[in-house]
Amino acid sequence: EVQLVESGGGLVQPGRFLRLSCEASGFTFDDFAMHWVRQAPGKGLEWVSGISWNSGSLGYADSVKGRFTISRDNAKKSLYLQMNSLRGEDTALYYCVKDNDARAAGIAFEIWGQGTMVTVSS
Amino acid sequence: QSALTQPASVSGSPGQSVTISCTGASSDIGTYNFVSWYQQHPGKAPKVMIYEVTKRPSGVSNRFSGSKSGNTASLTISGLQAEDEAVYYCCSYAGRSTSVFGGGTKLTVL
Repeated sequence: EVQLVESGGGLVQPGRFLRLSCEASGFTFDDFAMHWVRQAPGKGLEWVSGISWNSGSLGYADSVKGRFTISRDNAKKSLYLQMNSLRGEDTALYYCVKDNDARAAGIAFEIWGQGTMVTVSS
Repeated sequence: QSALTQPASVSGSPGQSVTISCTGASSDIGTYNFVSWYQQHPGKAPKVMIYEVTKRPSGVSNRFSGSKSGNTASLTISGLQAEDEAVYYCCSYAGRSTSVFGGGTKLTVL
């Protein structure tokens, strides 16, 4: 069964950092690009960041550029999101998402995890 | 990276067809054929319904179809069913390994 399991969310103060992880199973992880997509409570989807199969192409939303860093470890079948200088507007459910292509072009976000909640508040 | 523009809501009766528009710019929808559509029911993760403008993933009903003209993409749902009631999001590649979503459209089946 294809599965993505996120972890690392929680309550954090503004200005602090958090690292999200996503463990993949049931497919050949290093054949596909991966992404992080978030959804603030009661709001729509926002693409956050994407990474190609070999980490050669990375992309970030303007809202997180310079603060967030995406990475992957193909040997561990894992995706990561290092989030620094967190703000209240970063509060959201963060989904780990599998693309159906090796490029970080968001061809199709075909598999979604259940998400991990990040709350930024003092 | 400006969000794509979708109507906030659309509605239709069972059996009817509805179309949801998604307007972007020449830097995203207008240039790339990497437009996808997602269905999200309350409390659930999104599900891809259309990708690369017109392609349907295995298992998605052929009542769902996609198209694009210029900077605007569209999702058409024919033969509306109660289970189609959900929020629909469009998404487009915007170059330099970035993507952008629309604000979402709530579909109500009357």
